[in-house]
Amino acid sequence: GENVEQHPSTLSVQEGDSAVIKCTYSDSASNYFPWYKQELGKGPQLIIDIRSNVGEKKDQRIAVTLNKTAKHFSLHITETQPEDSAVYFCAARTITGNQFYFGTGTSLTVIP
Amino acid sequence: EAGVAQSPRYKIIEKRQSVAFWCNPISGHATLYWYQQILGQGPKLLIQFQNNGVVDDSQLPKDRFSAERLKGVDSTLKIQPAKLEDSAVYLCASSRLSIYEQYFGPGTRLTVT
Repeated sequence: GENVEQHPSTLSVQEGDSAVIKCTYSDSASNYFPWYKQELGKGPQLIIDIRSNVGEKKDQRIAVTLNKTAKHFSLHITETQPEDSAVYFCAARTITGNQFYFGTGTSLTVIP
Repeated sequence: EAGVAQSPRYKIIEKRQSVAFWCNPISGHATLYWYQQILGQGPKLLIQFQNNGVVDDSQLPKDRFSAERLKGVDSTLKIQPAKLEDSAVYLCASSRLSIYEQYFGPGTRLTVT
């Protein structure tokens, strides 16, 4: 099955700096890559996603890039704010069965 | 639009007891997922329903876990008997169809003592 690896596991940045989280996947047939933000005591919230026919997608301060050849995708958060502090998960969806496989999460701390 | 609802939010039981979780997906969402999230890890799919049929339950420990979605709307996940390693957050998610993005509920935190 699909295997998603995520790095780093923890990340601390100063407010206003950028944060980058990277994920790799193993199944070249995976076609959809969402990113989720999970705050303490809450379920994961979809923040941005990208499909396999697109190389980059941006939504205000958040962007995602996808390199299908290398099988990796990244989340970029610019001008970070304290409220960006949370655990972020990447995921990949396989074509067969449309199942989602999640990374192990990155705990982001934005220091005011 | 109301989100995915789950109850209870917290549950503490002793090992070998049974427990049930309930999920009400977003209205009109045909696909429903149950995930297990162990502390410090990403969610792991337990079972996926399309309407009231099971699409995938390959990672569901069927000797102790069961799930149903009788009318294609609400779903229940049951554990009987519970083990210590079942301590986790159980997340329910739904999507219009499996090809679309999924939305998560707040989860049920289960502690088995």
